[in-house]
Amino acid sequence: DTGVSQDPRHKITKRGQNVTFRCDPISEHNRLYWYRQTLGQGPEFLTYFQNEAQLEKSRLLSDRFSAERPKGSFSTLEIQRTEQGDSAMYLCASGGQEQPQHFGDGTRLSIL
Amino acid sequence: KQEVTQIPAALSVPEGENLVLNCSFTDSAIYNLQWFRQDPGKGLTSLLLIQSSQREQTSGRLNASLDKSSGRSTLYIAASQPGDSATYLCAVRGNQGGKLIFGQGTELSVKP
Repeated sequence: DTGVSQDPRHKITKRGQNVTFRCDPISEHNRLYWYRQTLGQGPEFLTYFQNEAQLEKSRLLSDRFSAERPKGSFSTLEIQRTEQGDSAMYLCASGGQEQPQHFGDGTRLSIL
Repeated sequence: KQEVTQIPAALSVPEGENLVLNCSFTDSAIYNLQWFRQDPGKGLTSLLLIQSSQREQTSGRLNASLDKSSGRSTLYIAASQPGDSATYLCAVRGNQGGKLIFGQGTELSVKP
């Protein structure tokens, strides 16, 4: 068990480009969560999956954002047509129904 | 709508002091509460999880309490050390397996 892994750690891109992040959860966890954190704030919930089913999406998740977990293992978060306001740390967490959520080190996105 | 508030936003103490961090939440119907530590540029490390039926949890020099009826939790750190310097976040979960709602965090600095 190596913990929750996120890739890449840093992403710099120009406004208007598409970006995709990957999260590999702890293998025995069936729930996977995405959060976004801006400087000086606590993380805000975006969406979560139980196995491959996406169970809840925040209103923060505009139609430019899409998340998938095709085989119930790793997940991807894609942002299309990035905007300045998308600059943030994107955090992934995994856990079971009764277990605490365990977080990865995040992907820091910077929009030029 | 659940809101989580942490006071103070920042705290600086000399090494060796005992200290208390506060967390309050507006809706007492929580499933559990989790305290995290976040080092700069890193993800979140889970410190303690308190189920809604519990009053407190302890791990080493850390003790977290929960008063669900008044919507409050405290994190007590005994004999603080410079290595305790980090941002501490509390988060509540409204239902089994669901999302976490975070406070803004308390940035702790322990001076040698």
